[in-house]
Amino acid sequence: DGGITQSPKYLFRKEGQNVTLSCEQNLNHDAMYWYRQDPGQGLRLIYYSQIVNDFQKGDIAEGYSVSREKKESFPLTVTSAQKNPTAFYLCASSRRGGYNEQFFGPGTRLTVL
Amino acid sequence: DQQVKQNSPSLSVQEGRISILNCDYTNSMFDYFLWYKKYPAEGPTFLISISSIKDKNEDGRFTVFLNKSAKHLSLHIVPSQPGDSAVYFCAAYSNYQLIWGAGTKLIIKP
Repeated sequence: DGGITQSPKYLFRKEGQNVTLSCEQNLNHDAMYWYRQDPGQGLRLIYYSQIVNDFQKGDIAEGYSVSREKKESFPLTVTSAQKNPTAFYLCASSRRGGYNEQFFGPGTRLTVL
Repeated sequence: DQQVKQNSPSLSVQEGRISILNCDYTNSMFDYFLWYKKYPAEGPTFLISISSIKDKNEDGRFTVFLNKSAKHLSLHIVPSQPGDSAVYFCAAYSNYQLIWGAGTKLIIKP
């Protein structure tokens, strides 16, 4: 079955620690995205990548970093510079170019204590 | 500034009746719109989309209407079923990025 996996489902970290969220897809999609969702708000774009070894900042990239070394993988690191890291993080993928449907993973709930 | 607005945080509808979810946008350059459904602690799933060259798109119980002059779209669900209880997001493509509304929580009452 093709799809997107995110692990872990729940993640707890102490303040000041960096943490990396995993995202893997086997849909053969070129484009991948990271979003953040906070209560009562829509999804906000953190970073996106249209192709391997290339990525672009979204609306709220400060305090986050990404890499795209493989087509299937797009890990997100939440650094200690992110002021309010506690949130629900969603990874998505799509075909590149045009107006394509984005497919989402199940999300990771990050809580910083 | 919110470019995609869903002004109703929640909506309660009787099972079997029609559910109408609304979405307004401010940027007249938006030309492709999508609706997603989301259950708690899960990722959104795609429901239906519409291009600005159309004013209606239908898929089973789901119909999306687009009124470009009013910069308004709506999602109709007929008939509403208990499994439709979820949060519904409207999104618009801008420069190949999706701009999302805040969502409307739909509650289907038995």
